[in-house]
Amino acid sequence: EDQVTQSPEALRLQEGESSSLNCSYTVSGLRGLFWYRQDPGKGPEFLFTLYSAGEEKEKERLKATLTKKESFLHITAPKPEDSATYLCAVQASGTASKLTFGTGTRLQVTL
Amino acid sequence: NAGVTQTPKFRVLKTGQSMTLLCAQDMNHEYMYWYRQDPGMGLRLIHYSVGEGTTAKGEVPDGYNVSRLKKQNFLLGLESAAPSQTSVYFCASTYDRRGHLPSYNEQFFGPGTRLTVL
Repeated sequence: EDQVTQSPEALRLQEGESSSLNCSYTVSGLRGLFWYRQDPGKGPEFLFTLYSAGEEKEKERLKATLTKKESFLHITAPKPEDSATYLCAVQASGTASKLTFGTGTRLQVTL
Repeated sequence: NAGVTQTPKFRVLKTGQSMTLLCAQDMNHEYMYWYRQDPGMGLRLIHYSVGEGTTAKGEVPDGYNVSRLKKQNFLLGLESAAPSQTSVYFCASTYDRRGHLPSYNEQFFGPGTRLTVL
């Protein structure tokens, strides 16, 4: 059974204070690892897909990395508008593109 | 493009009542999914469809039925609602990855339906 564990459950940062979110996974044949952002009362919004160990992708203050067992979402010099819940999900080979999600990390960035 | 839309946005039901949630997408996606999201549980897959006229069970299918009569629509039905079905429901869609680059395989989500069953 595919499993995704995210930590920490919640994270409070001051503006400009960099940190990382962790996503550990077990999957039978990883096809892709996905990061989503979810704002309160809204649906998840796609951020990144990573396909192989060693891969990195960046978008503004966010950088996602992937190893064979985990992924990190690095947030550099965050701003209050980065406050959201960040979701990690894995897609296994041959599964009709289904995703298995973690429970998310709730990030709050204060001034 | 409207993307993925869901109807209704909010609904309150009494135990035993029935209802249908509608999901529509205008991106010509082959695959569509229904999830529920509960505090501390994350997003869990209820049912999914890989094409018009086909449906399959996900992780938590009990108490729900689905239909995909048209490619752009995916309906989720609750025949006899129970308080345990109180949740936020999200619909998502994506391309059939065969014939597309991997980067086109992300799921696009709707805004959600908040359902309360009393």
